Amino acid sequence: DAGVTQSPTHLIKTRGQQVTLRCSPKSGHDTVSWYQQALGQGPQFIFQYYEEEERQRGNFPDRFSGHQFPNYSSELNVNALLLGDSALYLCASSLRWGLVEQYFGPGTRLTVT
Amino acid sequence: QQQVKQSPQSLIVQKGGISIINCAYENTAFDYFPWYQQFPGKGPALLIAIRPDVSEKKEGRFTISFNKSAKQFSLHIMDSQPGDSATYFCAALLKTGTYKYIFGTGTRLKVLA
Repeated sequence: DAGVTQSPTHLIKTRGQQVTLRCSPKSGHDTVSWYQQALGQGPQFIFQYYEEEERQRGNFPDRFSGHQFPNYSSELNVNALLLGDSALYLCASSLRWGLVEQYFGPGTRLTVT
Repeated sequence: QQQVKQSPQSLIVQKGGISIINCAYENTAFDYFPWYQQFPGKGPALLIAIRPDVSEKKEGRFTISFNKSAKQFSLHIMDSQPGDSATYFCAALLKTGTYKYIFGTGTRLKVLA
């Protein structure tokens, strides 16, 4: 049983560019959340998707957007990249909406130069 | 109000000793309190979790103690091993119609052989 998978593993982008990160949830899970983890910090909630809709959002600007596909996989898009967007981006999935246990993927390390 | 304060920032323990990490919160709407273990280059892994109607939960060498009146909870790692060396995050689930996790800032644990 595959856990949460994310791609790519590492990514280097230049300021002002756009990036798309991908996540496949754990088998059978239908809810996906995205987090940003800066170096030495705890994960910060970006947003959560269920039934292909954004259900809630953390304190992140509109430059951060996402999508969930019918197979429950998800994308995180970040436009107009800033140096401060450099972080580990984590995807977590839950069995279904409202169930509290969530499982994290290995993350995508984004470096903005 | 939505913060979870975690201490200490770092901890060094001898092999076989007890590691104790503490977290405190203010918002009584928090409803579920997990602990995550994160190794370098990996995503956080769910270790153990507790609900506020329980004062203690034990799984193997890991125990959560929960003090609802003091709004504090702690992770105890008994018989600490070098393989336990990792960063530990406490988290709290904010459940106010929607579901959102707030994470502590992390504790870097090093267990000396």
